[in-house]
Amino acid sequence: EVQLLESGGGLAQPGGSLRLSCVGSGFTFSSYVINWVRQAPGKGLQWVSSITGSGTGPRYAAPVKGRFTVSRDNSKNTVYLQMDRLTADDSALYYCARLSVGGTSDFDTWGQGTLVTVSS
Amino acid sequence: QSVLTQPPSASGAPGQTVTISCSGDTSHIDSGFVYWYQQLPGGAPKLVIYMTTKRPSGVPDRFSASKSGTSASLDIRGLRAEDEADYYCASWSTRLSGPVFGGGTKLTVL
Repeated sequence: EVQLLESGGGLAQPGGSLRLSCVGSGFTFSSYVINWVRQAPGKGLQWVSSITGSGTGPRYAAPVKGRFTVSRDNSKNTVYLQMDRLTADDSALYYCARLSVGGTSDFDTWGQGTLVTVSS
Repeated sequence: QSVLTQPPSASGAPGQTVTISCSGDTSHIDSGFVYWYQQLPGGAPKLVIYMTTKRPSGVPDRFSASKSGTSASLDIRGLRAEDEADYYCASWSTRLSGPVFGGGTKLTVL
């Protein structure tokens, strides 16, 4: 079964840091672009970042550029999201999502999310 | 504020048809495909429409979608209680480096 599992969320202080992890199973992990998408409480979905299967060409949404860093370790089937200089606006449920191959450009698999709360 | 615009809510009785709209501009919807995701209460998003009109395996043919210019729509025929969820449209922006989403439409089955 194809699965993604996020972890690493929790409570962080404003200005603090957290590192999220997304572990994939049931598929050839290194063949897929992995994305991070977040959802603030009661709000809609917002794309955060993506990384190619080989780990090149990371991309970021404007609100997190310069503060968040995405990376991956294909030997561990894991993508990481290092989040620094956190603000209250970063509080959200963070999902990792797999971009389908074959050019259809959809997110065909999502994890269950990990909750990040930024508060003093 | 979301890039794509959706009505915050929609509703219909069991068996009826409901349409959810999604509007954007020439930098996304008009220039590419539209995607629709269903998010059941407490769950993760799930793809129900890709490449504007296609259904993934396992999604009932009661779900259909279309696009015209800078607007798109999702139709759900023969509403069932299990369809009650939040629905999000999405598209890829030629201006940004990733996808953009609508604000979501909460579908209530009366």
